[in-house]
This record gives sequence, C-alpha cells and structure tokens, in this order.
Amino acid sequence: NAGVTQTPKFQVLKTGQSMTLQCAQDMNHEYMSWYRQDPGMGLRLIHYSVGAGITDQGEVPNGYNVSRSTTEDFPLRLLSAAPSQTSVYFCASSRQGHGYTFGSGTRLTVV
Amino acid sequence: SQQGEEDPQALSIQEGENATMNCSYKTSINNLQWYRQNSGRGLVHLILIRSNEREKHSGRLRVTLDTSKKSSSLLITASRAADTASYFCATADLYTGANSKLTFGKGITLSVRP
Repeated sequence: NAGVTQTPKFQVLKTGQSMTLQCAQDMNHEYMSWYRQDPGMGLRLIHYSVGAGITDQGEVPNGYNVSRSTTEDFPLRLLSAAPSQTSVYFCASSRQGHGYTFGSGTRLTVV
Repeated sequence: SQQGEEDPQALSIQEGENATMNCSYKTSINNLQWYRQNSGRGLVHLILIRSNEREKHSGRLRVTLDTSKKSSSLLITASRAADTASYFCATADLYTGANSKLTFGKGITLSVRP
C-alpha cells in the first residue's frame, strides 16, 4: 500500500516547455486534488476530481490541465511553463468524510 | 481566495507547554480539518471535525469548532520538540460535496524549544 505517489520529485523546465506531473493512489479514493504551495501563500487548489471522468477547477487553474481516466491516476499538465509556475506541487486523495492523504510533492523550477 | 485564516502566524513555546492555534473561516462548511507539515515534506492529516460536532480529541490533540463564530481551535497538550512543524486548517465547503473541495489557510509555524 504505497498511498499517493508523485513523480518526478524535482524538475527544471525552460519557459514555454510543457510537462506532466504524475499522481497515482492505490487506496481506491474517489476524490483527488492538485495543490501548489508557495512561500507565505499556504496551499492553493488548482484542480480537483470527484471520480473518474469528472474534474473541476479550483482557485488557480490557469495554465494547467487535468484528466481522470481512472480512479487511480490524476495527472497534471503544464501547457506552456512560465516562471510564475515555479512552486511545490502536491497531489492528494481522499474518500468521502475522511481526511486527505498527500503525496511527497514535486518541486518545479521554471527558468 | 483562501478560506481559512490561522492565528497566530507563528508560535514559539517550551517543551511541555500547551500550544493553541486558531482558525477562522468565511463560508458554511461540511467539515474542518487540521494538517501538519514538517519542513520539506507533504502534509499529514491530523483530525477532522464535522459541522455538527463541537469538540473532538485524538491523543494529545483537541479540536473545537464554533460554527456560529466560524472558528476552530487546535490544542496540542504537553508539546514535544517533534511537534515543531507548520499547521494548517482546511475547510470542506458545504455546497460542493462533502469532502471534494478542500480550501487551506496559510498556516501556523510552531516551534517547540527543547
């Protein structure tokens, strides 16, 4: 039982490049979310999903896409990386009425 | 915009003392949760309190919720150096599904001096 697995742990991108942050959970949780954490800003919700095939926008969705084709996977795509997307990204999952389990994060730097 | 506002922003106490952290929020909630984050790590869920509950305990943690004042407090009793971390409150909005959309505050930095 691995919990929530995020890959990669570290990534450096050039401005304009695209990439996908991977997130997988093996707990059969229906809810999955992506957050970004910036100094002094706490965690801000990017996108979330309530089940396979269903996604919705959070507080800061611009520049990011998500899809949820399976219960287990919830990848986050950066379409055209910008320095403002330099951050630590966390994926988390939960089932109804319970707390979220977080991944260990991806530290992304856009130069 | 962020829902929860924690208070104080930073707290420094001596080992063995109690630590009290407060959270205020703005909208109607289904539940409120507290998380801990050690430096450079992911968040760890501590406790969840539902909107119809007033108090909940888990080990050395005690959480209260006052929905009329839209506020919550987290009490850590007999603190230890290992409790040094950032603590976040998070709210699950009442109208967007019981736990599907969680909104976090900016966090409280707790330092426990040995």
